Amino acid sequence: QKEVEQNSGPLSVPEGAIASLNCTYSDRGSQSFFWYRQYSGKSPELIMSIYSNGDKEDGRFTAQLNKASQYVSLLIRDSQPSDSATYLCAVGWMDSSYKLIFGSGTRLLVRP
Amino acid sequence: DTEVTQTPKHLVMGMTNKKSLKCEQHMGHRAMYWYKQKAKKPPELMFVYSYEKLSINESVPSRFSPECPNSSLLNLHLHALQPEDSALYLCASSQENRELAALLFGEGSRLTVL
Repeated sequence: QKEVEQNSGPLSVPEGAIASLNCTYSDRGSQSFFWYRQYSGKSPELIMSIYSNGDKEDGRFTAQLNKASQYVSLLIRDSQPSDSATYLCAVGWMDSSYKLIFGSGTRLLVRP
Repeated sequence: DTEVTQTPKHLVMGMTNKKSLKCEQHMGHRAMYWYKQKAKKPPELMFVYSYEKLSINESVPSRFSPECPNSSLLNLHLHALQPEDSALYLCASSQENRELAALLFGEGSRLTVL
């Protein structure tokens, strides 16, 4: 049974701080890794993808992947109240077709 | 056109009704997905269509019946649902190529079964 684990939170940070979100996954054969943001009542929105070990930066967001530790993280710099949402970690691999499995999500609250 | 369109956005149905959810994308994506999401839970994979063929069925009850009429359209036919099937149903598509395999989600169809 493939699993993706996240701390449910809420993670509360002050405006302007760095928010750090973490995710672990069980299957070493996992091939692709994503962070989605989901506002209440809305659908998931892709914010970062990462495929190789190391860091990937996009604006205020940095994704980090460590395949040896089976660990993915997301850093959000200069956090804004509009970043308050649930952040879903998703892991992909090929089965009979390509599929993504989601973690349970971490709720982030950015305090003004 | 860079989006996945789902209709209807809201649906209320009784347990004896038959209804369908529809999903459309015009990005040339060859894999399409149905996910189910209950409140405060992550999306759960239901079905995957790859090149218009059903490639993954995650042991979903037969009261949910998917259909892929062509590469741009995906339907989910609903019959004899239970109140516990009330949820947000999400359609997504992807290129099914490792480097492009992020899923793009539609806005979802919120289903209430009375």
